[in-house]
Amino acid sequence: DAGITQSPRHKVTETGTPVTLRCHQTENHRYMYWYRQDPGHGLRLIHYSYGVKDTDKGEVSDGYSVSRSKTEDFLLTLESATSSQTSVYFCAMAGSTDTQYFGPGTRLTVL
Amino acid sequence: GEDVEQSLFLSVREGDSSVINCTYTDSSSTYLYWYKQEPGAGLQLLTYIFSNMDMKQDQRLTVLLNKKDKHLSLRIADTQTGDSAIYFCADMLTFGGGTRLMVKP
Repeated sequence: DAGITQSPRHKVTETGTPVTLRCHQTENHRYMYWYRQDPGHGLRLIHYSYGVKDTDKGEVSDGYSVSRSKTEDFLLTLESATSSQTSVYFCAMAGSTDTQYFGPGTRLTVL
Repeated sequence: GEDVEQSLFLSVREGDSSVINCTYTDSSSTYLYWYKQEPGAGLQLLTYIFSNMDMKQDQRLTVLLNKKDKHLSLRIADTQTGDSAIYFCADMLTFGGGTRLMVKP
């Protein structure tokens, strides 16, 4: 969906380094989400946002922080990356209905 | 906490119907969703059903909802090779583990 993009699409980093993933939407949607996808676990919610500067933790928030200073951008930060954070990360957006629309994903490898 | 479960794998022949099943525990969701994920791609919303409905049909797709048993199913009629993908059921924030559908020519 062209209304939501993620950057970078691929990243390889080393254990202990900080990493920031960006999600950008052009639909002016209020809600944004970060998920990680791992084999056997489906998608698990990391953090979500229900407006500018309003965020909350999801199921697997340890080791992650988020920021939303503008409606269109939702940043996910790994303060000190670990190998267990190797995953595919998806962001999503939702408007007034509950329906979520997903970005294309970011594949992160932590060596 | 909430849980959504699906079988891992389904294999069908081209032209047959596919039925993907899902069970969930949270009965408060307003909508329940089916997403399709093709290799290397993000999740694409396929269809959804409002929680007070029993059935929704959308072209080749039929969604059945049994609220009493907390069971959701997705039927794909006349399955094509292009339907090969992973299918996820979800309520608002909880996703199942995905069912990999393989369609044999």
